[in-house]
Amino acid sequence: DAKTTQPPSMDCAEGRAANLPCNHSTISGNEYVYWYRQIHSQGPQYIIHGLKNNETNEMASLIITEDRKSSTLILPHATLRDTAVYYCIVRVGGTGGFKTIFGAGTRLFVKA
Amino acid sequence: DVKVTQSSRYLVKRTGEKVFLECVQDMDHENMFWYRQDPGLGLRLIYFSYDVKMKEKGDIPEGYSVSREKKERFSLILESASTNQTSMYLCASSSRQGGRREQYFGPGTRLTVT
Repeated sequence: DAKTTQPPSMDCAEGRAANLPCNHSTISGNEYVYWYRQIHSQGPQYIIHGLKNNETNEMASLIITEDRKSSTLILPHATLRDTAVYYCIVRVGGTGGFKTIFGAGTRLFVKA
Repeated sequence: DVKVTQSSRYLVKRTGEKVFLECVQDMDHENMFWYRQDPGLGLRLIYFSYDVKMKEKGDIPEGYSVSREKKERFSLILESASTNQTSMYLCASSSRQGGRREQYFGPGTRLTVT
């Protein structure tokens, strides 16, 4: 699975959009980009995933660059409850998570 | 809703004890995983299983073993607990069917070995 690089921490004002970047320059053609988040003292929670098209769901939007070497997770209107560690992962689709590698992630602080 | 449960939220054991951590999922998922999480190191994969009685080593299997006798249950075993195994242990499951394939995580077990 490709390695990802994320900033260690970010701040965001409540009500503003939070844009979390991820670099995955060694991604291969059959690898998907997945985002999870982990709120303190809980297990990680799935947010969204994509292959090459931009994706949106009730939680967030995922923007993947045309060369697929980086992506951005967007929380459109961040709330205090979005304070968490956000993990960007790339892995082959269809394997159900074999050897999914979680890095250190980005710690997002949403401030009032 | 998918539910992944772990037998304990907090556990304290002595050095040298045999420790069993149990994980149960109720969604008939084929794949199950054990991770440990330590400050500054993120989640590290210990073992995973893609079917009953099947197991594969992850990145840090040393000092651990696993058992999967039933599809819904995946056990992590510390044969002789040591203080460097003090950590948060997270279990996850995922399906091999359908398009999403994301992992569902349990709440975690915080193990302290004294």
